[in-house]
Amino acid sequence: AQSVTQLDSQVPVFEEAPVELRCNYSSSVSVYLFWYVQYPNQGLQLLLKYLSGSTLVKGINGFEAEFNKSQTSFHLRKPSVHISDTAEYFCAVSPMFKGAQKLVFGQGTRLTINP
Amino acid sequence: GAGVSQTPSNKVTEKGKYVELRCDPISGHTALYWYRQSLGQGPEFLIYFQGTGAADDSGLPNDRFFAVRPEGSVSTLKIQRTERGDSAVYLCASSPGLAGAETQYFGPGTRLLVL
Repeated sequence: AQSVTQLDSQVPVFEEAPVELRCNYSSSVSVYLFWYVQYPNQGLQLLLKYLSGSTLVKGINGFEAEFNKSQTSFHLRKPSVHISDTAEYFCAVSPMFKGAQKLVFGQGTRLTINP
Repeated sequence: GAGVSQTPSNKVTEKGKYVELRCDPISGHTALYWYRQSLGQGPEFLIYFQGTGAADDSGLPNDRFFAVRPEGSVSTLKIQRTERGDSAVYLCASSPGLAGAETQYFGPGTRLLVL
């Protein structure tokens, strides 16, 4: 079984400041890793995903995440945030075996950008 | 092109009633997923279809929940004898169905309230 823990339920940040949203996972098998974002009144959309290869993954809107296998973490970062980044961010994993397509999500982190 | 659509957007029902929630995936996507998102939580996997068949229904909470996809396109999630604890946002997603770790494209959700 898999589980995902997002260590912060809310993160307030000033505009143009850097931000890191933390994600740790637990799994008995190898997993693929994802970050999804939910803007106010919109559906979930993919920010980035890690499948294999380089542990630093770049996504849309200037976000990046680093996979750390030894620490079972996949933290999301952005060097300078904008008001438009205000949203809820979800970390998710998917088991890496044939036929497994389901996503297991964390509880989400609400990112609030203050001017 | 058109994204994933879900109807109705909101549904209010009384405890004990039967409800149906509909999902129209992106055209050509063979994989379809249902998730449930309770207030303040991340989405929770319910069921995954590949074509017409349920490839993984391990997330359905009990036998009151049932989903179909008879022609491999539109899917209906059916809930019998609704309970107040079923109140949540029900999310549908689709993906091409060609490989593992595909990006899932989410609809806006159906908000179900059981009184």
